[in-house]
Parts: sequence; C-alpha cells; structure tokens
Amino acid sequence: NAGVTQTPKFQVLKTGQSMTLQCAQDMNHEYMSWYRQDPGMGLRLIHYSVGAGITDQGEVPNGYNVSRSTTEDFPLRLLSAAPSQTSVYFCASSYLGIRGHYEQYFGPGTRLTVT
Amino acid sequence: DAKTTQPPSMDCAEGRAANLPCNHSTISGNEYVYWYRQIHSQGPQYIIHGLKNNETNEMASLIITEDRKSSTLILPHATLRDTAVYYCIVRPERGKLIFGQGTELSVKP
Repeated sequence: NAGVTQTPKFQVLKTGQSMTLQCAQDMNHEYMSWYRQDPGMGLRLIHYSVGAGITDQGEVPNGYNVSRSTTEDFPLRLLSAAPSQTSVYFCASSYLGIRGHYEQYFGPGTRLTVT
Repeated sequence: DAKTTQPPSMDCAEGRAANLPCNHSTISGNEYVYWYRQIHSQGPQYIIHGLKNNETNEMASLIITEDRKSSTLILPHATLRDTAVYYCIVRPERGKLIFGQGTELSVKP
C-alpha cells in the first residue's frame, strides 16, 4: 500500500491564483481530513469527510473547498490564494475501529507559499 | 468537543520515563482521549487512546484518572527519537480530531 499520498510536495502561488491540492489513499478508509499547520503552531482542521459524498467544515474552512466523489480521493481547492494561506497542508485518512480506535494516517504534507 | 490543556514544553533524560500530563476537565461520557505525536515536520503519528481504563501498547501507557478529568501519557524509557510534539486530544467516538498546541518533549542525553 502507498498509504496517503499528497501532490504536489511544494507549491508557490501568487495572490489571487487558485489551485487544487491532491490527496489519495489506498486503504479503503472512510474518513479523510485536511489540516493546515503554520510555523510553530499545532494543526488546524480545515475540512473533513466521513464518506464519499459527505463533507463537513472544520475549524478554519474559509477560503477552501472540498469534495469527496470517491472513497480514495479528497482534493482541497484554494479558491483565491492569499498570503495568510501560506502553510503546510496535511491530508489524513482513517477508519473507525472497535472501542473507539481512530488512528489517522497522515500524508507527507504540501508546503505552500503564497506571495 | 472538550478542550485540553498541556504544558508547552518538557525535558526528559534519555532512558528515563517521560510523563506527559493533560487536563480535560470538560470531557463528557462518550469522549475518548487520544494521543498523537509529531516528529520534526512529519505528519502526526497515532500513539494510544482510551476511554476509562488505563491502556498500554508497545509505544506507551495511558493513565486516565477515575473522574476522567486528566490523563498522563507515559513513555517508559525515553530515547532521543522520542523528541517530538505530543498532542492530547479529546474526541467523541464519531467526531472530528481537533489538535491543540501540544507539549514539546525534548529528550536529552
């Protein structure tokens, strides 16, 4: 299994540009999430999904869109990039096991700079 | 979701036990306590979770107080590779995983 893959690894955007960060998992996990991590800070949840066709907002959803048309893919779209969106973006997938076991598997991250 | 409070940083000598505390005084009955850690700039890694009882696995032990208002993660023999940020998270069984600021653990030789 490749686990959770994210592309690209690095990206530089100009203010106002749009782009899509790709995330895919091959573990048949029902749950997927997007987080951002600013320098020296903890992770903040942007959007998450509990299954294909179902998405919900996290703590910081503004400026981002998601969709989940398949179990495997969960792309994150930046509508109009702003310097405040400069961050490292992590995608994660998980399943809900017995007795509340909820182990998230994280991708390697995408480092985004908006100038 | 219940909030958690952790010390921002801790030191531990290599080979000694590292005890990382977490307060979650507003935890409710169906919420689990999870611990993750993040080494350098990698994605976080699951360590352990529990509801009421103490738990142990190959990585760590989790001690939850009887009133469930606090917990302690124990790394029994810390190594330099355990230097990381450790996150204590409270989550309903089917809820979102919300990270806080965590505790930066430095294991020193």
